[in-house]
Amino acid sequence: AQSVTQLGSHVSVSEGALVLLRCNYSSSVPPYLFWYVQYPNQGLQLLLKYTSAATLVKGINGFEAEFKKSETSFHLTKPSAHMRDAAEYFCAAFNAGNNRKLIWGLGTSLAVNP
Amino acid sequence: ETGVTQTPRHLVMGMTNKKSLKCEQHLGHNAMYWYKQSAKKPLELMFVYSLEERVENNSVPSRFSPECPNSSHLFLHLHTLQPEDSALYLCASSLNTGLAVYNEQFFGPGTRLTVL
Repeated sequence: AQSVTQLGSHVSVSEGALVLLRCNYSSSVPPYLFWYVQYPNQGLQLLLKYTSAATLVKGINGFEAEFKKSETSFHLTKPSAHMRDAAEYFCAAFNAGNNRKLIWGLGTSLAVNP
Repeated sequence: ETGVTQTPRHLVMGMTNKKSLKCEQHLGHNAMYWYKQSAKKPLELMFVYSLEERVENNSVPSRFSPECPNSSHLFLHLHTLQPEDSALYLCASSLNTGLAVYNEQFFGPGTRLTVL
């Protein structure tokens, strides 16, 4: 069965430091892949998505992610963290053959320290 | 109002109460979803409505009853809930094209439900 694994339920970085949030998927067919962000007391917002075009995907708020088929990974990065980036980040996968459902990771809580 | 709105934002209810959650989308979408978000668990898809027809019901207990009177509104009727039903309930909507592609879902802010 398809699954999404986010390594590290909590990540803490200093303001200005690199942000790296890890996501690995398991699927026999490369799926569409997504990163969503959830700010406190808000719903989920799409940050970026991979849909089998360019492997390096740029999203909103300076985030980007790279699809690596050989590593079955889709890690999220941002060169310099801002305080406003503190939120919960969710990786998700969609495969048209999997009943067209989004498969979600457990989420990673990002804390940004001043 | 823009996007997807949900009311109430917070709800506390006893196990014998009956309440309803409301979701409204202002995006012209034709599909709506209810999700349950609990700590330390992946987001759980509960119900999917497409063109006002329920197309998915993921083994949700009957104490949760959805209703979709039109493509802009979605309700979740609650009765005789259990404390383990306490969670954030998220509504989402999308414009489904009928193609085998992902149609981006837009989420509301959620209703934080506490069952005493």
